[in-house]
Amino acid sequence: AQKVTQAQTEISVVEKEDVTLDCVYETRDTTYYLFWYKQPPSGELVFLIRRNSFDEQNEISGRYSWNFQKSTSSFNFTITASQVVDSAVYFCALSSLNTGGFKTIFGAGTRLFVKA
Amino acid sequence: GAVVSQHPSRVICKSGTSVKIECRSLDFQATTMFWYRQFPKQSLMLMATSNEGSKATYEQGVEKDKFLINHASLTLSTLTVTSAHPEDSSFYICSARSPGSGGGTEAFFGQGTRLTVV
Repeated sequence: AQKVTQAQTEISVVEKEDVTLDCVYETRDTTYYLFWYKQPPSGELVFLIRRNSFDEQNEISGRYSWNFQKSTSSFNFTITASQVVDSAVYFCALSSLNTGGFKTIFGAGTRLFVKA
Repeated sequence: GAVVSQHPSRVICKSGTSVKIECRSLDFQATTMFWYRQFPKQSLMLMATSNEGSKATYEQGVEKDKFLINHASLTLSTLTVTSAHPEDSSFYICSARSPGSGGGTEAFFGQGTRLTVV
């Protein structure tokens, strides 16, 4: 079965704290793609990162970093020195041949509140 | 700028009427588009895959007669909510991938349409 689990429903932090959003996925495919999207209150989905299953190299982009570990089927997202503007819902997503022609399936999302 | 444009962003309609939502790919031709529905504080649930020039593929449990999808051109897919009822009120989002990208690129998402049926 293809599945994405984001166990953290809501996280609340104070500005400048670091926060990690967890994502665990399930797939039988050897070739698959993982994504993170941000959904601010406006509703529009903002693409953050894409990772393919053959690239386990971690990535850093400014205050954002991602830790991909195939051994634990996890693709965690860390925001360093969080800011109020980071408040949003964050979705982890999976795409593979077995999701049905590379449809994107989403986790339940983690709502992040960053307080000033 | 946005590469997928969705219109309208908000719509309020009376119960029993039909509403059409448009999804346009601006920078590329999309042979496949996807329609999602999102209930408040929930995740995005795939409703259907829209294929240019052929019938849409609906996910299990989605009423194809209620949610009509037309993908008449490589840049436009439409979702029509027919005989809308209050329970159809939701946030609808479309997405598109550029051709030949398989699953390896991100899908570009529209801005979403918030439908309220009164």
